[in-house]
Amino acid sequence: GEDVEQSLFLSVREGDSSVINCTYTDSSSTYLYWYKQEPGAGLQLLTYIFSNMDMKQDQRLTVLLNKKDKHLSLRIADTQTGDSAIYFCAESIDYGGSQGNLIFGKGTKLSVKP
Amino acid sequence: DTEVTQTPKHLVMGMTNKKSLKCEQHMGHRAMYWYKQKAKKPPELMFVYSYEKLSINESVPSRFSPECPNSSLLNLHLHALQPEDSALYLCASSQGPRAYEQYFGPGTRLTVT
Repeated sequence: GEDVEQSLFLSVREGDSSVINCTYTDSSSTYLYWYKQEPGAGLQLLTYIFSNMDMKQDQRLTVLLNKKDKHLSLRIADTQTGDSAIYFCAESIDYGGSQGNLIFGKGTKLSVKP
Repeated sequence: DTEVTQTPKHLVMGMTNKKSLKCEQHMGHRAMYWYKQKAKKPPELMFVYSYEKLSINESVPSRFSPECPNSSLLNLHLHALQPEDSALYLCASSQGPRAYEQYFGPGTRLTVT
């Protein structure tokens, strides 16, 4: 079955880089995602990577994908206090080739200390 | 406009009440989703509508009844809920049913007393 694992907490100092890691089990995943959720709010899509890519960079965000090890990471450069939030890794699963479904990890709570 | 709106923001209801949650998007998306998120947990998929037809129902109890009146609107009708149904209910939409980019609304915080 599908399973997505993340560490639950990460604490960094403002200005440092943050690296949030995720492992997934379903090798048929087509896309892998990072979502951000601030307290009491919905989910914000930060970035996603297609499963045939190794890396994607978008401003301060770098996504690395190791498909062999089923490992995904999100690096946030120059982390700011406004980056404090819960970060969810998710994979999309096709049902019968025509439907999509997101399977989320439990989320990593990032705390940024000034 | 990449916004998904949900109303109400907060809802408190008794176990005998009937209420509805509403979700709207004007991005021309043809797939819409309901997720349930309990405190300190990830979102869990409840329903998927694809081109206004219910395509996935993740074994959700019948006290939750989804409705998609048109391609921009998604409702979730609630009846005879239990206190354990208290959660954040999130709506999302995507251009098509393959979930390449799902956009989430802010959610409705539901408390069942």
